[in-house]
Amino acid sequence: EAGVTQSPTHLIKTRGQQVTLRCSPISGHTSVYWYQQALGLGLQFLLWYDEGEERNRGNFPPRFSGRQFPNYSSELNVNALELEDSALYLCASSLPGSGGANEQFFGPGTRLTVL
Amino acid sequence: AQSVTQLGSHVSVSEGALVLLRCNYSSSVPPYLFWYVQYPNQGLQLLLKYTSAATLVKGINGFEAEFKKSETSFHLTKPSAHMSDAAEYFCAVSGGSGGGADGLTFGKGTHLIIQP
Repeated sequence: EAGVTQSPTHLIKTRGQQVTLRCSPISGHTSVYWYQQALGLGLQFLLWYDEGEERNRGNFPPRFSGRQFPNYSSELNVNALELEDSALYLCASSLPGSGGANEQFFGPGTRLTVL
Repeated sequence: AQSVTQLGSHVSVSEGALVLLRCNYSSSVPPYLFWYVQYPNQGLQLLLKYTSAATLVKGINGFEAEFKKSETSFHLTKPSAHMSDAAEYFCAVSGGSGGGADGLTFGKGTHLIIQP
C-alpha cells in the first residue's frame, strides 16, 4: 500500500514569492493535515481538511492557505514568503471520525528554504 | 488548551541499556496520546498510541508506553536500546476541546543518542 506522498521534496524561494506544496493521502483516507517543522519551533499544526472542507487551522496567518480536492489530495499555499517560513512542511492523512483517535500517517515532507 | 511536555531535549544511553523518554500532557478532556519517531530527513512514523483501552500500550520495535492519568504522563520505554533506535522522538496529544479530530499537539521532541 502506497504511503503519503509529497511534492516537491525541496524548494528554494525568495522573500515575497508564493509557493504551492502538494500532498496525496493514503488510499481511503479522507482527512489531510499540514504541519510546519521549523528549527527551534518544533512541530506545529497548520491546517486540517476533511471531505474537501477546511475543518480547523492552527495559529498561522491567513497567507497560509490550502485546499482539498475531490480525490482527497491537498495543496498548501504560502503567499508573501518570509524568511521564517523556512521549514520542513509535513503532510499527514488519516481515516475520518473517531474524534482524533485515528493515527495520522506522515509523508516525507517538503523542505522549503526562503532566501 | 492541550499541551505536551517532553523532559530532556537529549537523552543518551548505552547500547543494551533501558530507554526512558518522558512525556507529560495537559488536556481538559480525556486525551488520545501518541509517540512518533523521526529519522534524519524523513517524516514521522507512529510507534504507538493510547486511545483509552489498556493503559500499557505496546508498539513497534520493542517500545511500550504506560498511560498514568494521576500523573498525566505517557512515558516511552524500551528494555534494551539498539543503535538503530537513535532518532528524534515526539510525544503528541489529540482529542481537542471540541471532541473532534483536531491537529496533533506535539512536544518539542527528545533526541535519543545511543552510545556503543
